[in-house]
Amino acid sequence: QLQLQESGPGLVKASETLSLTCTVSGGSISSSSYFWGWIRQPPGKGLEWIGSVYYTVSTYYNPSLKSRVTISADSSKNQFSLNLSSVTAADTAVYYCASDTAMTRTEYWGQGTLVTVSS
Amino acid sequence: QSALTQPASVSGSPGQSITISCSGTSSDVGGYNYVSWYQQYPGKAPKLMIYDVSVRPSGVSDRFSGSKSGNTASLTISGLQAEDEADYYCGSYTRSNTVVFGGGTKLTVL
Repeated sequence: QLQLQESGPGLVKASETLSLTCTVSGGSISSSSYFWGWIRQPPGKGLEWIGSVYYTVSTYYNPSLKSRVTISADSSKNQFSLNLSSVTAADTAVYYCASDTAMTRTEYWGQGTLVTVSS
Repeated sequence: QSALTQPASVSGSPGQSITISCSGTSSDVGGYNYVSWYQQYPGKAPKLMIYDVSVRPSGVSDRFSGSKSGNTASLTISGLQAEDEADYYCGSYTRSNTVVFGGGTKLTVL
């Protein structure tokens, strides 16, 4: 059973870069079985897919965020990361790391971490 | 990419059946049998309830079922129970190799 845990600052200043890491246990991020991704949820709002990384090298991003997002993987640490640049208050959200099968279903989720962008 | 369209809220009495719709386009819902549904309680991470339009993961009650017609997918919950009160989200794979979610539906059990 996969387990995922987000970590990173809970407060980021506007115009700076939001950086989060997801630590995976119970499986290898080098596995061809899963995509590893990030999903966010602004307070009181719905889910927004941010992007995924596959096999530590192939990346897929939400077109609306693509210019600001980088998702990368570190197989030596069994972790993957999210960098979101030039953040604004609109980026305040609970950020979930998750694993899915070929982007067709998200089976495993982290508990989520709230990131607040301050001015 | 535009979010899939779900009703903001639905309600039903215990024992009844309800259906939540999820409308997309031929580039997502209508183009692939890769629609999934998630249940989310307040303050908790979403839980996968249905994938590939109508497949239930192990451990999910058979009161939950999914279907699709054209560009619209549906989640049906039969024999409604108090514990089903939650937010429900649909998600779909898209032609652009991305994922898009619906805006979410709040289910109230009366």
